[in-house]
Amino acid sequence: DIQMTQSPSTLSASVGDRVTITCRASQSISSWLAWYQQKPGTAPKLLIYKASSLETGVPSRFSGSGSGTEFTLTISSLQPDDFATYYCQQYNFYPWTFGQGTKVEIK
Amino acid sequence: EVQLVESGGGLVQPGRSLRLSCAASGFTFDDYAMHWVRQAPGKGLEWVSGVSWDSSSIGYADSVMGRFTISRDNAKNSLYLQMSSLRAEDMALYYCAKGTSSMTTVMNYFDYWGQGTLVTVSS
Repeated sequence: DIQMTQSPSTLSASVGDRVTITCRASQSISSWLAWYQQKPGTAPKLLIYKASSLETGVPSRFSGSGSGTEFTLTISSLQPDDFATYYCQQYNFYPWTFGQGTKVEIK
Repeated sequence: EVQLVESGGGLVQPGRSLRLSCAASGFTFDDYAMHWVRQAPGKGLEWVSGVSWDSSSIGYADSVMGRFTISRDNAKNSLYLQMSSLRAEDMALYYCAKGTSSMTTVMNYFDYWGQGTLVTVSS
């Protein structure tokens, strides 16, 4: 199975900060990567697919980049609503696998 | 509006069985693969199982292979997960998720999720 590793596991930031989360795959997955946001007590929400395509309705402060084995999720200016846990997921190789998550906390 | 509503979770003893259901609406159910993804308390996401639009292709995570059975009823817009020989490590919130492909083993990410149903395995 493809192993997905996110860093950092926890990130402390302030409103207005630029935030970057990294996701690494154990082998090349081309651009077949999705990012999800999960707030406590709620289901994950799709943010980005195909590494950099923004899901409809997702604010433009979210962006994704990368290909092959290294990917990033960037929040250009962190808003109060963005404090959550973020997961990457590869969908190039079955079975589908997720990163362990990155929790974005208030600094 | 896409809606996925899970049900059937609860407290079950180790070794016993439980059947989860997911009622779907707001999209053409039989156009897409459907999946179950679980999240143990305080942990990350784990894909559990998926079924293609026509039930011809089914997949399971190694951790549940041989114990869980996924199925769907397109006439009822419903997805199911029959779980047997439950273990403590199966305790989790189980999400029903809509795939983005018609086939379970081809290019699936998850664009809609239900609210989850909690399975507690304890004696």
